[in-house]
Amino acid sequence: DGGITQSPKYLFRKEGQNVTLSCEQNLNHDAMYWYRQDPGQGLRLIYYSQIVNDFQKGDIAEGYSVSREKKESFPLTVTSAQKNPTAFYLCASSSFVGDTAELFFGEGSRLTVL
Amino acid sequence: AQSVTQLGSHVSVSEGALVLLRCNYSSSVPPYLFWYVQYPNQGLQLLLKYTTGATLVKGINGFEAEFKKSETSFHLTKPSAHMSDAAEYFCAVRDDKIIFGKGTRLHILP
Repeated sequence: DGGITQSPKYLFRKEGQNVTLSCEQNLNHDAMYWYRQDPGQGLRLIYYSQIVNDFQKGDIAEGYSVSREKKESFPLTVTSAQKNPTAFYLCASSSFVGDTAELFFGEGSRLTVL
Repeated sequence: AQSVTQLGSHVSVSEGALVLLRCNYSSSVPPYLFWYVQYPNQGLQLLLKYTTGATLVKGINGFEAEFKKSETSFHLTKPSAHMSDAAEYFCAVRDDKIIFGKGTRLHILP
């Protein structure tokens, strides 16, 4: 079945370590997104990409990095510069960056910094 | 700038009662509006969306929402709540990007 796969589902990290979250989609979608979710704060956009080899910062990009070398893949690296990385991370995709296109979400990755 | 306001971070209804989750938006252009549902430790799933045309939109699981331009609202309703409806619900608006509200957690009382 088509969909978005995020891995790992749970991840623990020590302070000062970088960690990379994987996001793969087989929906042939052009656009991909990373959101961060904290209790009571909704979803906040970290980065998004409309085409391969191009991406834009969202509202809270500091301390994060991404790459888009393939259409299917959009990994997110949480760097040691991110002051409060413990959160639930959601990857999403859409067919095009158009007005009516909805987002399709993965199951999420929960990162805990020890 | 566009924004979304969901009234009530927590809503409790009895099983079988009407569900009403409120969403107001601000947008400088005709909006495209969405409702998503999230179950614990899962991603978001689209319930319904409004783009153009009929202002009453029907979605999955018996939910519907009505776009009211004069009130800048897009409230989500379901006539009869079921225990399985307990989840968090997010309203969203798309302009150049999708903006989400902070969510409303729906509790169903037996």
